[in-house]
Amino acid sequence: GDSVTQMEGPVTLSEEAFLTINCTYTATGYPSLFWYVQYPGEGLQLLLKATKADDKGSNKGFEATYRKETTSFHLEKGSVQVSDSAVYFCALSYDKVIFGPGTSLSVIP
Amino acid sequence: DAMVIQNPRYQVTQFGKPVTLSCSQTLNHNVMYWYQQKSSQAPKLLFHYYDKDFNNEADTPDNFQSRRPNTSFCFLDIRSPGLGDAAMYLCATSAQGSGDGYTFGSGTRLTVV
Repeated sequence: GDSVTQMEGPVTLSEEAFLTINCTYTATGYPSLFWYVQYPGEGLQLLLKATKADDKGSNKGFEATYRKETTSFHLEKGSVQVSDSAVYFCALSYDKVIFGPGTSLSVIP
Repeated sequence: DAMVIQNPRYQVTQFGKPVTLSCSQTLNHNVMYWYQQKSSQAPKLLFHYYDKDFNNEADTPDNFQSRRPNTSFCFLDIRSPGLGDAAMYLCATSAQGSGDGYTFGSGTRLTVV
């Protein structure tokens, strides 16, 4: 069945470091891909999305590119801030959303 | 702003005492979902509605029920909460076929004592 795999962390970075969180998916068709972020004690927020191959989603300095050939949707940010500390979920969807296990990110000053 | 609102943010209930969590939305989305999330794990889908059509996940315990009286409101009823039901409960909405993903509420953290 369809599934999402992502590095589970926790990931700890210093402020202004470069961030990559790897995400790969298994799907029978061509789903939309998403990154959601969950700050402590909060619900999930949609961070960015891409609906077809080679699309790049971007928001708040985060980017991810829909790579059909490698079935990947890696999240990147050039310079992380303490306020980026959260759990990040990669997800795919045709209709219902299937979440990856989440990656906890801690950014230290 | 259009949004998904969950009440209350924190709920404490006694072991075995029925509890109801509520969700409302101003987005006019036709699909509503209830998820259970434990300890920052991936959210687990309990059930969802397409309009008034109820869809239960195969592994959702019978202890969990839901009602959707209209487009804007959806309720999660836990008939006899056990200690293992302590979790964050997340409500989400989407417009079917839009490809826009879900809009989540802030969640209700349920504690069972």
